[in-house]
Amino acid sequence: DGGITQSPKYLFRKEGQNVTLSCEQNLNHDAMYWYRQDPGQGLRLIYYSQIVNDFQKGDIAEGYSVSREKKESFPLTVTSAQKNPTAFYLCASSQGSMNTEAFFGQGTRLTVV
Amino acid sequence: QKEVEQNSGPLSVPEGAIASLNCTYSDRVSQSFFWYRQYSGKSPELIMSIYSNGDKEDGRFTAQLNKASQYVSLLIRDSQPSDSATYLCAVTNTGNQFYFGTGTSLTVIP
Repeated sequence: DGGITQSPKYLFRKEGQNVTLSCEQNLNHDAMYWYRQDPGQGLRLIYYSQIVNDFQKGDIAEGYSVSREKKESFPLTVTSAQKNPTAFYLCASSQGSMNTEAFFGQGTRLTVV
Repeated sequence: QKEVEQNSGPLSVPEGAIASLNCTYSDRVSQSFFWYRQYSGKSPELIMSIYSNGDKEDGRFTAQLNKASQYVSLLIRDSQPSDSATYLCAVTNTGNQFYFGTGTSLTVIP
């Protein structure tokens, strides 16, 4: 089945730890995106990538890092510099050309303990 | 100024009624427009896309776009309790970045 897979579904982080959220797609999409969603809020763009080995900061990139070494994969690292990381993290992908939709993975819920 | 604005609701309609959801956007050169449905605790699911002015119908859903007024709407006919969710409006710019509104919460009352 084609789709976007995020793992893990739930993640707990201790203060001061870095954690990495996985996002893999087999849709042959060029563009991939990371969003953060807080309760009762919309989606805020963290990072996006239009092609392999290239990515751009979104509106709230501070405290996060990404890599795009393969077309299929776009992992997000939440670093200790992110002071309020508890949120629902969503990965999406699209063909990257005009007038194409974005599809989402099932999300990772990160909690700081 | 927010890129995409939606009335957060909550919007309540009786079963079988028409639900009307509205969205405005600030960037005049926005390219594409989407409606996503998000159930509580789940990820957004695409339900409609619209790229040119006018109406687009898909089953019980109709999306309406007016680029001159920078306005996009979603009508849900014959609303069902299973339509109860948060509806997110999304807009792309020339760089293919997707910007989302904060969502409108819809409750369909049986």
